[in-house]
Amino acid sequence: EDKVVQSPLSLVVHEGDTVTLNCSYEVTNFRSLLWYKQEKKAPTFLFMLTSSGIEKKSGRLSSILDKKELFSILNITATQTGDSAVYLCAAGPPEYGNKLVFGAGTILRVKS
Amino acid sequence: NAGVTQTPKFRILKIGQSMTLQCTQDMNHNYMYWYRQDPGMGLKLIYYSVGAGITDKGEVPNGYNVSRSTTEDFPLRLELAAPSQTSVYFCASSYSMGASNQPQHFGDGTRLSIL
Repeated sequence: EDKVVQSPLSLVVHEGDTVTLNCSYEVTNFRSLLWYKQEKKAPTFLFMLTSSGIEKKSGRLSSILDKKELFSILNITATQTGDSAVYLCAAGPPEYGNKLVFGAGTILRVKS
Repeated sequence: NAGVTQTPKFRILKIGQSMTLQCTQDMNHNYMYWYRQDPGMGLKLIYYSVGAGITDKGEVPNGYNVSRSTTEDFPLRLELAAPSQTSVYFCASSYSMGASNQPQHFGDGTRLSIL
């Protein structure tokens, strides 16, 4: 059975800290791994990773994929209270577009 | 700049009632999806569609039905509401053509309670 496991389930940090969120996956015919940020409503897209070892960056956020060890990490540096959210990881096969399997998410709370 | 629009935002149903959750997208995406999100469980795929007239079951389809008569609309139907269907429902859409698979874009969700 396909599965995606995220860790930790939740964490609390102070503003300015750096955090690393983990995502491991076992998905048949894996092609892409995606990270989403979910605040109160819709998940919003952060990154899509398809190749090992190539870091993707967007401001203070970065992510990398290891297809040999079947995991990905999401780093957030110099955290701000606006980074407080649930971070979702999803992995998908190539067929039928992005038919994704989601992890349970990591709840991040950044304290001021 | 609407993206994916879901209605209603909130709804309370009695056991055995039926209702339709509406989803429409204005991005001309060919793929559309319905998920449910339960606390601590992530998102589970209910049904998806790869184009008008084509739908298929996801991971948790029991108790639901869908249709896709147009590219824009993908309604989700609950025929006999049960307490186990209390959840937050998200509709999403994406564009996919050959090897080019784009990320899914999500609506704001419908919070449904069955009492």
